[in-house]
Amino acid sequence: NAGVTQTPKFRVLKTGQSMTLLCAQDMNHEYMYWYRQDPGMGLRLIHYSVGEGTTAKGEVPDGYNVSRLKKQNFLLGLESAAPSQTSVYFCASSLSGGQPQHFGDGTRLSIL
Amino acid sequence: DQQVKQNSPSLSVQEGRISILNCDYTNSMFDYFLWYKKYPAEGPTFLISISSIKDKNEDGRFTVFLNKSAKHLSLHIVPSQPGDSAVYFCAALTGAGSYQLTFGKGTKLSVIP
Repeated sequence: NAGVTQTPKFRVLKTGQSMTLLCAQDMNHEYMYWYRQDPGMGLRLIHYSVGEGTTAKGEVPDGYNVSRLKKQNFLLGLESAAPSQTSVYFCASSLSGGQPQHFGDGTRLSIL
Repeated sequence: DQQVKQNSPSLSVQEGRISILNCDYTNSMFDYFLWYKKYPAEGPTFLISISSIKDKNEDGRFTVFLNKSAKHLSLHIVPSQPGDSAVYFCAALTGAGSYQLTFGKGTKLSVIP
């Protein structure tokens, strides 16, 4: 009963390095999302996808790229990491718009 | 400008008593509201929701009330249990089929045995 799985759970990067966060869901959901949560803040939407092969920008997209090559996977990339991207990243999925979103357990990312 | 506000960062309640978590919103286009519960080192878990056509939705110990004219909703937990200790996020959607959740900053609930 996996639901939404995020890889890795923790990562430390140096400024300027790149990395990819992987999100996988096994619920056959059409919609997938990437959020970031900073201390004392609610979750903010980075990018989202409404189906395989589609992506769109959310509230805070700068510095990130995404890809949805397969329906079950949604990748979040940082091309050149910056300390301001230190955060906890959550992936979520939903059956469609207007439906509750199901979240993974997060990736804690630190940029030094 | 925050569109969804949870003005109480924290709340402490005795076990067995009622917990009331509040949420205010400013965007009149919001028409579907959700509450999420989050434990440390875990992702948010969907708890309960309410559509703007209703003023109350109940699920076991959890009830959400919506006052559209006041742009206010509240989550009631009765009776509160120690396992309810978590951060609770209020979130809102605009329109049928909408996908972009707008979250409040959360309220940390501590239920004291």
